[in-house]
Amino acid sequence: KAGVTQTPRYLIKTRGQQVTLSCSPISGHRSVSWYQQTPGQGLQFLFEYFSETQRNKGNFPGRFSGRQFSNSRSEMNVSTLELGDSALYLCASSSTGTSGINIQYFGAGTRLSVL
Amino acid sequence: AQSVAQPEDQVNVAEGNPLTVKCTYSVSGNPYLFWYVQYPNRGLQFLLKYITGDNLVKGSYGFEAEFNKSQTSFHLKKPSALVSDSALYFCAVRDREGFKTIFGAGTRLFVKA
Repeated sequence: KAGVTQTPRYLIKTRGQQVTLSCSPISGHRSVSWYQQTPGQGLQFLFEYFSETQRNKGNFPGRFSGRQFSNSRSEMNVSTLELGDSALYLCASSSTGTSGINIQYFGAGTRLSVL
Repeated sequence: AQSVAQPEDQVNVAEGNPLTVKCTYSVSGNPYLFWYVQYPNRGLQFLLKYITGDNLVKGSYGFEAEFNKSQTSFHLKKPSALVSDSALYFCAVRDREGFKTIFGAGTRLFVKA
């Protein structure tokens, strides 16, 4: 079974641009969560999608948005990039959601550098 | 509100010695608790979880964790460390009614040969 796939692996953008990151979950998984990882802040929860609906959201500005498609693939968009958005963005999939005892399976991440 | 604390940024241990990576949590009700490990340029990998029952949970790669309700702790342990255990370790908590998993800041484990 293929794991969680995130594309691209690396991105370099300049301030003010926007970026879209993609995540393909494990086949059969309906939940996709996004996290931002930085050395200073650790792993910060962005949002979770389940069956195309955003079910939970972290404390990030509206510049961060996402969506999920009918095949469970998810995209995350960041508009008007700032230097502080430089981070490793991780996607995690789970079979029935982040509630309960389900394990989250993580992709390798997309490393975004904003210049 | 949920929170997780990993009080040590880094833990250093010699190969063959026991290791402990500390984690304390705050959540209403009974939590689900997890440990994940991250190797360089990789995503997080699941190690073990606590749901209910025995306070000592055994996981992958010889790791185990001890749940202590009175101290609200879930420390990760291994009897004999390997150099290959060197990685970044994350503790996570999830309340039983919500959909959000909160991760600690991470503890870097360095095992010296």
